[in-house]
Amino acid sequence: SQQGEEDPQALSIQEGENATMNCSYKTSINNLQWYRQNSGRGLVHLILIRSNEREKHSGRLRVTLDTSKKSSSLLITASRAADTASYFCAGSRRGNEKLTFGTGTRLTIIP
Amino acid sequence: DAGITQSPRHKVTETGTPVTLRCHQTENHRYMYWYRQDPGHGLRLIHYSYGVKDTDKGEVSDGYSVSRSKTEDFLLTLESATSSQTSVYFCAISESIGQGSPNYGYTFGSGTRLTVV
Repeated sequence: SQQGEEDPQALSIQEGENATMNCSYKTSINNLQWYRQNSGRGLVHLILIRSNEREKHSGRLRVTLDTSKKSSSLLITASRAADTASYFCAGSRRGNEKLTFGTGTRLTIIP
Repeated sequence: DAGITQSPRHKVTETGTPVTLRCHQTENHRYMYWYRQDPGHGLRLIHYSYGVKDTDKGEVSDGYSVSRSKTEDFLLTLESATSSQTSVYFCAISESIGQGSPNYGYTFGSGTRLTVV
């Protein structure tokens, strides 16, 4: 069972546009994380947001968390071709080290 | 990826044979994990370890066993490989400060692509 479900499953945008991906989760979380996976590679940690935070920024990334709706969003601003990848959200429950991953959003940036 | 390596990177094996995948870290992290990645399922946790000789099952542990005799090594064994275990296997490590949940992201290996024929 997935802790997170990403939406949309696939997204194609023009280079320079902003990309928004959403994640909904089922149970209460302690923190939620976003990862990127380039084709044929392992996942790379992008950003972590804790349950008591509502928004977090890292470079061109902006993550929001709404615990009342059990949802999070990842915004990538001014997209680049190198942002083409799959993006996954993952949540951990309070008192539990394990991360449970969603099924991912496939993002394609069109040059 | 720096600090974590998986071996082999690719393997083809026959149904019914045992297979062992290795994950090696140089970060001295306490927690290690094995995931499998399949289309439409994302990553699913197989087993994890929270210290030497301390392991526990994940959500898809049937047909798999693990061992951790040293901090740096976490082995995943498919006791008798089946075609349903054809997948990409990822190892991950993490360190945690505080109580319970990880405060930092996982670091993933590059994966092992396993094909069972």
